[in-house]
Formats: sequence, structure tokens, C-alpha cells
Amino acid sequence: ETGVTQTPRHLVMGMTNKKSLKCEQHLGHNAMYWYKQSAKKPLELMFVYNFKEQTENNSVPSRFSPECPNSSHLFLHLHTLQPEDSALYLCASSQRRPTEQYFGPGTRLTVT
Amino acid sequence: SQQGEEDPQALSIQEGENATMNCSYKTSINNLQWYRQNSGRGLVHLILIRSNEREKHSGRLRVTLDTSKKSSSLLITASRAADTASYFCAPLGGGSNYKLTFGKGTLLTVNP
Repeated sequence: ETGVTQTPRHLVMGMTNKKSLKCEQHLGHNAMYWYKQSAKKPLELMFVYNFKEQTENNSVPSRFSPECPNSSHLFLHLHTLQPEDSALYLCASSQRRPTEQYFGPGTRLTVT
Repeated sequence: SQQGEEDPQALSIQEGENATMNCSYKTSINNLQWYRQNSGRGLVHLILIRSNEREKHSGRLRVTLDTSKKSSSLLITASRAADTASYFCAPLGGGSNYKLTFGKGTLLTVNP
């Protein structure tokens, strides 16, 4: 797990707050991903970045805004979230798109 | 949908026994990956099997792939209490569709 780090590990925010999740990978990978894991639902792919370029947005609401300044860092900016956005947000990276993914420990987000 | 569907949803065994989990998917794949997730934490990659492979081993893990039946299985031999986790299969789409999709997983409980 130390190859991909995520901060913060836990976050509680109100619906009017703005916060950001950070992900950093130390593996020299070229692709990075954001996933959402809600209770009782399969892991959902949100965004994909390949060589810093966004290659996939899986119909994610605009209140989630990703940013990838370089191949090692990925952010997820949050604003005006809804209680149903409460979930575990996981970041992952891979050497290339078809190869295995390495996941961070996740950020447990609670929207009040 | 390319989503893998794991079966059974839950499996409870005694330490030392073998555990078998199955996965089915719907369309062509580039490869199929298995992951493990301990409660509330990030996923850990276990094994990747390519579409032209039929069987792969890694330590106590054995994965099979039958592309004609669009199915895969994961066998954990001589299980340990530490193997208690959720296990997910994730087919990776064929062609240039490199989307990795996850099912709801199999919750494995290994009793000491």
C-alpha cells in the first residue's frame, strides 16, 4: 500500500464546503484512476488519467472535479456535495492502461 | 456491461480448507484480474491472467480462465484466517477499451 498514498484518510464535510482529496504514487506509473465505493454497490470508476491527460469521465457530476498536474499526483476537488456522495474514494495507478492497478488506502468521506 | 460477477456472494470455511470463487463476464477481454480487499481498505492486486492463458499460479493462489465460457475461478489452498477479505474479479475490456470493472465481490471468512 505504500506505493500509492492518499490524504486525508478520513474527511467529514458539510454540503456547502469545498475540500480536496490528494493521491500520490511513487511507482513511476503513467495512468491514475479515481474510484468510488459505496456500501452495497460495486466499485465505480470515476475518472482515468493517462500521461496526465483525462481519458475517461464516467458520467460523474460536476461537483467532483479532478486534476492531474503530473503523472505522480492526482487530486479530486469536491464542492457542494450531497449526503449520497458519502463513500470510500479510492485512487489507483498502473504502469499502462491494461496492466494491474495499485490502490491507495482510500479516503472515507462523510457528507453531513 | 463488462462487469465481473462473483459467485458465491459469501463463503465461510475453516482454516486449512480450500476456497473456490467463481467469476463470469459478458464480452471479450484483454485480461482478467483478481483483487482482495480487507474491510474498509484499498484493494490489493492478486493475479492477472491474459486472455490467451488458461491457468496461472501464485503461491497458494490458482486462477483459471475459460474464455469460451466467459468464466474464471480463483482457488486459495490451505486457507488462513488472514485470508478473510472480499475478493473481486475485474475483467479488462478487449480492444482499446481498457476499462477495469468490478463486481460486488465474494466475502470470504476463514474461521480459526
